[in-house]
Amino acid sequence: AQSVTQLDSHVSVSEGTPVLLRCNYSSSYSPSLFWYVQHPNKGLQLLLKYTSAATLVKGINGFEAEFKKSETSFHLTKPSAHMSDAAEYFCVVSENPASKIIFGSGTRLSIRP
Amino acid sequence: SAVISQKPSRDICQRGTSLTIQCQVDSQVTMMFWYRQQPGQSLTLIATANQGSEATYESGFVIDKFPISRPNLTFSTLTVSNMSPEDSSIYLCSVGGRALYNEQFFGPGTRLTVL
Repeated sequence: AQSVTQLDSHVSVSEGTPVLLRCNYSSSYSPSLFWYVQHPNKGLQLLLKYTSAATLVKGINGFEAEFKKSETSFHLTKPSAHMSDAAEYFCVVSENPASKIIFGSGTRLSIRP
Repeated sequence: SAVISQKPSRDICQRGTSLTIQCQVDSQVTMMFWYRQQPGQSLTLIATANQGSEATYESGFVIDKFPISRPNLTFSTLTVSNMSPEDSSIYLCSVGGRALYNEQFFGPGTRLTVL
């Protein structure tokens, strides 16, 4: 069975400081992992994905994530936060991305001026 | 990628009525899914819409409450039946499959409020 846990329901950082959103997963197989972002009153947008290639994955808008099998983690980072990064972020796991995917509970990212 | 549209984008409905949500994709796709996002919550998979056969429902969701149609590879509908205020949510469809490089793409969602 697969599952995903986002360790923080809310993260608040100052503009220009680093962002870290934490995600741990559980999967019986080699999983595919994704981060999606949802801005207020907008649809879901894929930030980045890991599908067993390079463990450090670069996404859009300066975000990246590192797959660490030993820690079963897939944390999302960005070196310098921007006000436009304020949104809800979802970590997603799938054993077969062509089929069912499981969403984490989400992390709300707030950016302080 | 895939471009997905949903109709209606939002609706306000009375208790006890039903609403059918449409999902249209700009290309033929193997997999279509329906999700619910309750206020302030994450996304929960309702069912997988299978072309030419009945939908596959997740635990806690039943066909009588959420009947789904999938008449072809570009279109699906989700009906929310006999609605109550607890059904107030955003309903999203998504598509995926190997032709889409094993990613899932999401529609803009339908925001439903039940009074």
